[in-house]
Amino acid sequence: AQKVTQAQTEISVVEKEDVTLDCVYETRDTTYYLFWYKQPPSGELVFLIRRNSFDEQNEISGRYSWNFQKSTSSFNFTITASQVVDSAVYFCALMGAGGTSYGKLTFGQGTILTVHP
Amino acid sequence: EPEVTQTPSHQVTQMGQEVILRCVPISNHLYFYWYRQILGQKVEFLVSFYNNEISEKSEIFDDQFSVERPDGSNFTLKIRSTKLEDSAMYFCASRTRQGAGQPQHFGDGTRLSIL
Repeated sequence: AQKVTQAQTEISVVEKEDVTLDCVYETRDTTYYLFWYKQPPSGELVFLIRRNSFDEQNEISGRYSWNFQKSTSSFNFTITASQVVDSAVYFCALMGAGGTSYGKLTFGQGTILTVHP
Repeated sequence: EPEVTQTPSHQVTQMGQEVILRCVPISNHLYFYWYRQILGQKVEFLVSFYNNEISEKSEIFDDQFSVERPDGSNFTLKIRSTKLEDSAMYFCASRTRQGAGQPQHFGDGTRLSIL
């Protein structure tokens, strides 16, 4: 069975602070994919990033960066110099590449990020 | 940029009634999904659909639910005999066939309220 755990239920920061959202996953698949989605107050789900299980290279995109560590089954997401517009619920998700897990996303519980001005 | 569209944005239905949620996936996508998010909770997988048949479904997706792709563009979720606990946001998603692990692109969701 696949499982994604986002231990931080809510995080509150002041604008310009850096913030890291944690994600830990469990899977028996040897090949899998990890995703982060953002859900702003308007409710839609916005795709942010995808990582393959065989590519542990970390990635930076503007103020966003991702740290994938297979040894600890973690895929953490950092926002640098946070802004009020970053306030949203952030979901980490896992997609397996084999058996019955292929194609479906297993989501974590989400982390509510509030950035105060 | 192409996007997944869902209608209606909000549906209010009396308990026991049938409801159909509609989705138009991105045109060149071949895999389609429905997810559910009960208020304040995580997003849960319901069903995946490929080549005009269900490829996988969750325990939530029982006989009360059905999906259909009636034409080349629409993808619908039907819920029969709705219950109060069916109240949730329902998301449709689609992805391209090319390559495993391609991201699913989500619609804006339909908020279903059962009275």
